[in-house]
Amino acid sequence: AQTVTQSQPEMSVQEAETVTLSCTYDTSESDYYLFWYKQPPSRQMILVIRQEAYKQQNATENRFSVNFQKAAKSFSLKISDSQLGDAAMYFCAYRSAGGSEKLVFGKGTKLTVNP
Amino acid sequence: DTGVSQNPRHKITKRGQNVTFRCDPISEHNRLYWYRQTLGQGPEFLTYFQNEAQLEKSRLLSDRFSAERPKGSFSTLEIQRTEQGDSAMYLCASSLRLSYGYTFGSGTRLTVV
Repeated sequence: AQTVTQSQPEMSVQEAETVTLSCTYDTSESDYYLFWYKQPPSRQMILVIRQEAYKQQNATENRFSVNFQKAAKSFSLKISDSQLGDAAMYFCAYRSAGGSEKLVFGKGTKLTVNP
Repeated sequence: DTGVSQNPRHKITKRGQNVTFRCDPISEHNRLYWYRQTLGQGPEFLTYFQNEAQLEKSRLLSDRFSAERPKGSFSTLEIQRTEQGDSAMYLCASSLRLSYGYTFGSGTRLTVV
């Protein structure tokens, strides 16, 4: 079974600075998708960025980018120019490209942005 | 397109009672998912529908849990004989294609007293 590990329960960053959230996963599959979701306090979960495992190029969405290291099974999220609105729980998730369609989530990282 | 809608937002029930939650996905999304999230944890998969067919169920989904998606539109999740351990946020999500991420609803928070 696939597992997702987020080793940083909490992180903090100063406004306008850059922060990197870590995620590692375990799988025997070669084709899959990886996601980062943001869950603000008492609000719904929002997709931040996704990465297809077959693509070597790291995904980027505005201030958010990933460092995908397939051999190391690592998928970190970099947030540049952090804003107060970035404060939230961030979840890394794995989804098989075949077979099960479920998302497997990590336990999350709580990001605090200090003004 | 108003996103994924879940009702009710909050539900408080006494232990032993039955509860039912509703999820209305984005209209063109044929895939619908239910997850459960407890405090301090990531969401855990419960079940998945493609159109009206329930294609996957987690072992977390005990006999007390049942989900339906009649006509491939909205879905309901029923919990019978609720227990305190059922207290959690129940999240619904929908998706159009496997490669896409989900769109989540705001969830239904269940408290069993």
